[in-house]
Amino acid sequence: QSVLTQPPSASGTPGQRVTISCSGSSSNIGSNSVIWYQQLPGTAPKVLIYSNNQRPSGVPDRFSGSKSGTSASLAISGLQSEDEADYYCAAWDDSLSGYVVFGGGTKLTVL
Amino acid sequence: QLQLQESGPGLVKPSETLSLTCTVSGGSISSTSYYWGWLRQPPGKGLEWIGSIYYSAHTSYNPSLKGRVTISLDMSKNHFSLILTSVTAADTAVYYCARLLRTGVGTTTPPDYWGQGTLVTVSS
Repeated sequence: QSVLTQPPSASGTPGQRVTISCSGSSSNIGSNSVIWYQQLPGTAPKVLIYSNNQRPSGVPDRFSGSKSGTSASLAISGLQSEDEADYYCAAWDDSLSGYVVFGGGTKLTVL
Repeated sequence: QLQLQESGPGLVKPSETLSLTCTVSGGSISSTSYYWGWLRQPPGKGLEWIGSIYYSAHTSYNPSLKGRVTISLDMSKNHFSLILTSVTAADTAVYYCARLLRTGVGTTTPPDYWGQGTLVTVSS
């Protein structure tokens, strides 16, 4: 059971806009910044969004992030076949002695 | 360009100890800006943070693994290590080492740089 809650799957057709949600609590998303990762099969996660809505250099502006209260979202516009991957949200959690928490991941299928 | 590389046995017997090392190049683990950590991903499942260490040797561990985990660092070799004791089949996973940005005393962001990962299988 993951601390952050994501839908297990999402899908869209090429060119569409897809949104993936990430729900947490006041001890994680509510008080700390969110990172979104993209993980292609057999590879390490890659940072897509950091500090809730910032893109590292090299990440297309088709990817955007937002945060409101204890929830965050990743939006992918102009969906492409190469976007088919697993997506994870993560944040620091202030509860107990503090630790990094993840969502369970969302498998994005491009139809 | 920062690079992290995991190394260690790919097969560990049940009840024994898993030991991995992460060698860092293109950056120093003595930096005051970062923690260095371990994460894992069981086959077909999601990501789990194991723990992190600062250059001062301050550590943070996942409460679910506390008691079995030790993370240490060797600044002379610019590497840090993971020890996980009393392993079971549930510890079979791809293990990643990573860099985490320090945001305060004992607090970090999730990882911003990851190693490529190494599969460790627990089996007799």
